Amino acid sequence: NAGVTQTPKFQVLKTGQSMTLQCAQDMNHEYMSWYRQDPGMGLRLIHYSVGAGITDQGEVPNGYNVSRSTTEDFPLRLLSAAPSQTSVYFCASSLQASTSYGYTFGSGTRLTVV
Amino acid sequence: DAKTTQPNSMESNEEEPVHLPCNHSTISGTDYIHWYRQLPSQGPEYVIHGLTSNVNNRMASLAIAEDRKSSTLILHRATLRDAAVYYCTRRDSGGSNYKLTFGKGTLLTVNP
Repeated sequence: NAGVTQTPKFQVLKTGQSMTLQCAQDMNHEYMSWYRQDPGMGLRLIHYSVGAGITDQGEVPNGYNVSRSTTEDFPLRLLSAAPSQTSVYFCASSLQASTSYGYTFGSGTRLTVV
Repeated sequence: DAKTTQPNSMESNEEEPVHLPCNHSTISGTDYIHWYRQLPSQGPEYVIHGLTSNVNNRMASLAIAEDRKSSTLILHRATLRDAAVYYCTRRDSGGSNYKLTFGKGTLLTVNP
């Protein structure tokens, strides 16, 4: 049982490049989400999904796309990277879309956009 | 509009109890209170969550005020490995009922 796996752990992009941050969980969790964390700030929700085929925006969705074709995977796409997207990204999952269940977080992807 | 309020930092001595407070005065009756912690260079880690009654697990205890406007995370015997940022969170009440909003948390320092 690996929990929530994020890849890559580190990435450097040039402005304008695109990339996909991968997130996979093996706990059969319905709910998955992406957060970003910037220095001195808390975690901010980017996008979330309550189940396969269903996604919605969080508080900072601009510049990011998501899809959820399977229960296990929830990739985050940066279509045209900008320096403002330099951050640490965390994927989190929960058994169901309810706060009666705790969240499991991945170990993060540290992204630098130059 | 902060959903939760926590002190920016707290300090404790090793092997002593630690009480980390959190105010959530606007919480509704069905909102669970969650606590997570984040060690340096790691992802957040689930600690505990509860609705009304006090909750205990192997990591900590959660004491919830009777009016549910505040809660306290209790680490019974702090160790150096408990040094982390502790987040008290609750549901974002803007529409959906399952988005957790994280503030800046409390930085806990544990002295040997």
